[in-house]
Amino acid sequence: DQQVKQNSPSLSVQEGRISILNCDYTNSMFDYFLWYKKYPAEGPTFLISISSIKDKNEDGRFTVFLNKSAKHLSLHIVPSQPGDSAVYFCAASAYNDYKLSFGAGTTVTVRA
Amino acid sequence: NAGVTQTPKFRVLKTGQSMTLLCAQDMNHEYMYWYRQDPGMGLRLIHYSVGEGTTAKGEVPDGYNVSRLKKQNFLLGLESAAPSQTSVYFCASFSGQGATGELFFGEGSRLTVL
Repeated sequence: DQQVKQNSPSLSVQEGRISILNCDYTNSMFDYFLWYKKYPAEGPTFLISISSIKDKNEDGRFTVFLNKSAKHLSLHIVPSQPGDSAVYFCAASAYNDYKLSFGAGTTVTVRA
Repeated sequence: NAGVTQTPKFRVLKTGQSMTLLCAQDMNHEYMYWYRQDPGMGLRLIHYSVGEGTTAKGEVPDGYNVSRLKKQNFLLGLESAAPSQTSVYFCASFSGQGATGELFFGEGSRLTVL
């Protein structure tokens, strides 16, 4: 059973608008959360992360929000750009557990 | 700086054949991982290694074997390929410093089993 879930397989957004990607997790031992971005025919690349002691982390156009009580995190991309069109994976790990559990991914398409 | 390199990039096998995927990293990372990506399933961990000479099972280890004889290399073997092993395979490495997070991935190896 997947412990990290991304229930929206795809998202289409107009250039300049906000993209909001959602992720839910079931394992209460998870304490570190990440987003990865993947272009076709390439490997995933790290985008942004957040520790469970925080509820928000921002890096340029990308902000990740964490709601521990709801076991939910989201990634906001503002403003969305055509180069943001990719698959975004949510991932999580537990303290001292040196492996990541990934969600199924959300394909983002930014329309011009 | 090459990072994580996977070979081969593409391979077609017949059911029952064997093959080995090679992953090499030049970042002196302690941890290495093999994931497979399937539609609607995301990335699932097959096997991983926390250092030279060590290996451990991930979520979906059946039908695969691994070896980490040298720190920089992590090999994934399929002894008797099955159509269910048709997938894109990604190798990744992690330095082991700080919180588990920034894995560096290779470009992937697309395997088709007929």
